[in-house]
Amino acid sequence: DGGITQSPKYLFRKEGQNVTLSCEQNLNHDAMYWYRQDPGQGLRLIYYSQIVNDFQKGDIAEGYSVSREKKESFPLTVTSAQKNPTAFYLCASSLLARGNSPLHFGNGTRLTVT
Amino acid sequence: AQTVTQSQPEMSVQEAETVTLSCTYDTSESDYYLFWYKQPPSRQMILVIRQEAYKQQNATENRFSVNFQKAAKSFSLKISDSQLGDAAMYFCAYRSQGYSGGGADGLTFGKGTHLIIQP
Repeated sequence: DGGITQSPKYLFRKEGQNVTLSCEQNLNHDAMYWYRQDPGQGLRLIYYSQIVNDFQKGDIAEGYSVSREKKESFPLTVTSAQKNPTAFYLCASSLLARGNSPLHFGNGTRLTVT
Repeated sequence: AQTVTQSQPEMSVQEAETVTLSCTYDTSESDYYLFWYKQPPSRQMILVIRQEAYKQQNATENRFSVNFQKAAKSFSLKISDSQLGDAAMYFCAYRSQGYSGGGADGLTFGKGTHLIIQP
């Protein structure tokens, strides 16, 4: 079955360490996205990518980095510069980077930094 | 920039009854798309229904329907015959049509409404 796989489901890190969240899709979608979800905040866009080897900052990109070397993969690195990294992270993809293409989401990664 | 507002942080409804979740948005665009997503306790985001702004007819998916009022910039979700499995967070979302490059940055989400189903 086609879908989006995020791993791991839960991730624990010490403050000051970088950590990379994995996101893989086999839907052959062009566009991919990373969102952060905090209680009472809805979903906020971190980074997005319309095509391979191209990505753009979203609303809250500070302290995060991404790469898009393959169409299927869009890993997110949470760096030590991110002041409040503990959150639920959702990866998504859409067939097209516009219009009525809905976003398909992975199951998310819960990151806890202590 | 577009904004999406969900004014009801929490709603409660008796099983088998009907409930309406509110959503308003702010945009200067004439062409766009609106979505409702459901997030159950598993935290998986599930597409419930979508509406094209150029269509006057309200979208319907089984027990789920919308009341789209373009002039009022309102997009409410009606759930009929509520079931226990409908209990979830519901998010309203906006996406640009994309003619002028908009929409590439995905969806703009509201903060969500927590729907409780009373048995």
